[in-house]
Amino acid sequence: KNQVEQSPQSLIILEGKNCTLQCNYTVSPFSNLRWYKQDTGRGPVSLTIMTFSENTKSNGRYTATLDADTKQSSLHITASQLSDSASYICVVSGGSNYKLTFGKGTLLTVNP
Amino acid sequence: GAVVSQHPSWVICKSGTSVKIECRSLDFQATTMFWYRQFPKQSLMLMATSNEGSKATYEQGVEKDKFLINHASLTLSTLTVTSAHPEDSSFYICSAPPGRAYGYTFGSGTRLTVV
Repeated sequence: KNQVEQSPQSLIILEGKNCTLQCNYTVSPFSNLRWYKQDTGRGPVSLTIMTFSENTKSNGRYTATLDADTKQSSLHITASQLSDSASYICVVSGGSNYKLTFGKGTLLTVNP
Repeated sequence: GAVVSQHPSWVICKSGTSVKIECRSLDFQATTMFWYRQFPKQSLMLMATSNEGSKATYEQGVEKDKFLINHASLTLSTLTVTSAHPEDSSFYICSAPPGRAYGYTFGSGTRLTVV
């Protein structure tokens, strides 16, 4: 069964600190892995997308890593800001039918 | 580029009425549109996949007659919640796959509250 597990479920950090979110998946075959940021009451916004051959990808203060062998990914947020408070969702795509498997997300709260 | 416009962003309706949610791809053609439902603190759950010019495919457990999907053009897909009940209250989101470079683009979501 295709699954995406994210940890931690929630995280509270102080503004300016770094943090790392984890994603483990069992989706097969694997096509790509995406990280999205979802603000409360809004649709998800893409942060990064990585294919099998990519190990790391950055988007500003966000850096995602992918280990396709162990089927793990992480999202590192540097110098957090209050606006980073949101749910971060790991989404894995497999096969050719465009279907996505969603993680439940990590709810990040950045406090001043 | 690759914007999906979803409307309305929120709606409150009375039990028994129908509500239509629209998703438009603004700068690309979307032959496929995915419709999701998201309950508070839960992951997005795929309800159905709409395909331009053909019938939508629904996920197991999703009532076709209750959630009517129409994908009449390459830029517009609609979801109609018929005879809405309070348990249909949820956050509905559409998304389209514009291409590998962009990944999947999501609409901004519609908060439906049935009273």
